[in-house]
Formats: sequence, structure tokens, C-alpha cells
Amino acid sequence: DAKTTQPTSMDCAEGRAANLPCNHSTISGNEYVYWYRQIHSQGPQYIIHGLKNNETNEMASLIITEDRKSSTLILPHATLRDTAVYYCIVRNGGGSNYKLTFGKGTLLTVNP
Amino acid sequence: GAGVSQSPSNKVTEKGKDVELRCDPISGHTALYWYRQSLGQGLEFLIYFQGNSAPDKSGLPSDRFSAERTGGSVSTLTIQRTQQEDSAVYLCASSLKRPQGETQYFGPGTRLLVL
Repeated sequence: DAKTTQPTSMDCAEGRAANLPCNHSTISGNEYVYWYRQIHSQGPQYIIHGLKNNETNEMASLIITEDRKSSTLILPHATLRDTAVYYCIVRNGGGSNYKLTFGKGTLLTVNP
Repeated sequence: GAGVSQSPSNKVTEKGKDVELRCDPISGHTALYWYRQSLGQGLEFLIYFQGNSAPDKSGLPSDRFSAERTGGSVSTLTIQRTQQEDSAVYLCASSLKRPQGETQYFGPGTRLLVL
């Protein structure tokens, strides 16, 4: 699976949009971009995933650049409960990619 | 159920004792996975089930670790003769069908502390 690069930490004011970037310049054509987050002392939580089109669900939006080498997770109105480590991973549809591995991720701190 | 559930949520045991950790996957999910996460570390894959069979047990750290799944649903991870290095959060995840490419949904984890 392609490697991803994320900032170590970010801060966001409560109620504002949080924009979390991820670089995946070596992504291949059949690899999806997935986002998970892990709130302290909880299990990882699936947020969203996409291949090449932008995606939106009740939690977030995912913007993938046209060349697919980077993406941005957007939390439109961050709350204090969104403070967590956010993981961007890329996965293809075959092989043993079911063995999820998370990198260091981005620690997002939402401030009052 | 609405999500993956795990029990117990916390377990404290003495070195040398056996422990059993339980996972209830999302209803209808045929693939089930066990991971563990040590403090401040990433995910470590342990085993995956497709139905009741385990095609990949490659991540089990030693023969003290075993897992089974019955009825294509509940899974139990057993650790025999626990050691202090077994202390970690044990996470279970499930996905709808074939594991490749399917979204995995995680449970809250079982925090195991071996004294």
C-alpha cells in the first residue's frame, strides 16, 4: 500500500471547519483513500473513504485532488468531541490489504 | 447490533493466568479481525476470520494465543499463561463480505493489564 504523510498536529477553534491534509504521492490507480480517527482510549472509528471523486457523509467531506496525490478531510463544524488522532491510509482492493496499519496520524485539538 | 461490541471493556489479570476476550461483530458481517494496540503504538494485526475459518493467523505472537469463531458471528480470543508483555488494547473489527477493500468497523476494545 502507498505511504501517506500527515502533519503531526493541528489546532482548530470550536465551530470552525477543520481541514486535515494528507499526501499520498505514490498512490496507484486501484487504491482508495480511507480516513479513520481514534479518540483517546477508544477504538478506531471509520470516517470516510474515496477513490477519485469527492465524497461527503454525515461526519465529513473528503476532497481528493485530480492527480490523486493528496487529499483533505474536512470536518465542517468541529466540536470538542472531534479532538482525536486522524489517520489517512490508502488501500487497494486485493491481496492482504485487510491488515490495516496506521501511521502516526494527525492529532487534531479542537479548542473552545 | 448497531456496532461491534467487545467484552470485557477492561481486564486485569495476574501473570500466568488465562484470559478470554469476546467480540460480537456487526450483524451480517462475515469477515472479522483481531488487532492489538500497545500504548502509543500502531495497530498490530493478529488474525482474520472469513465465516468460521481463519485463513490468516500469521499475526498471532505465539502459541499462547488462539482464537475461534462460531456460527459465523461471535469470536473469542484466548491468551494462555499471560505475560506482562501481553498488556495492550485488543481490538476487534468486522467487515461486510470479503476482506479485501471492505471497510472495517472497530469495536471499543478490551484493555488488558497483566500484573
